[in-house]
Amino acid sequence: SQQGEEDPQALSIQEGENATMNCSYKTSINNLQWYRQNSGRGLVHLILIRSNEREKHSGRLRVTLDTSKKSSSLLITASRAADTASYFCATDTGRRALTFGSGTRLQVQP
Amino acid sequence: DVKVTQSSRYLVKRTGEKVFLECVQDMDHENMFWYRQDPGLGLRLIYFSYDVKMKEKGDIPEGYSVSREKKERFSLILESASTNQTSMYLCASSFGNIQYFGAGTRLSVL
Repeated sequence: SQQGEEDPQALSIQEGENATMNCSYKTSINNLQWYRQNSGRGLVHLILIRSNEREKHSGRLRVTLDTSKKSSSLLITASRAADTASYFCATDTGRRALTFGSGTRLQVQP
Repeated sequence: DVKVTQSSRYLVKRTGEKVFLECVQDMDHENMFWYRQDPGLGLRLIYFSYDVKMKEKGDIPEGYSVSREKKERFSLILESASTNQTSMYLCASSFGNIQYFGAGTRLSVL
């Protein structure tokens, strides 16, 4: 099974609402990252949170990390239609490569 | 601006053909990666390279090989393409912890 598992698999909200997606992982991490992928395109890095951090903000993004529960959440506030995309968490466990989850598909209805 | 370029957006090949997927980055990054992305499975690491001529197997290397003769170029080779290798292939390079992705190559093997 995958190191990172996102929940829910799909999420549909109205413009202006907040979107929350969660990621659980299995082993100890150095950091956890969130990436975004527009349909048919490559991934774009959004935010990184280190294992000794509990919360991080970047614009309308807020990420939390609970290492005791091995989980993270990504909150997008005041969502826009342009936020429609798939969102992936990725864990850095000390090997050179990241391990990606299966993603959450977010649909923001205008 | 960071740029990772994959040589083809779409590719159609026949079973048994030898297939080359090319990836070039212009950031002088040490690390480069090849992933495949399938619905419901997220991104799975095929191979990565941490230096010229150096490579390491990822989670699903079977049926693939790679070549890194120059720092900026990382090639994925399907020695004898099979229908189960029909997928989206994503190349990435990294500086530190963050990965930068190409737009992807959608490969269909008939």
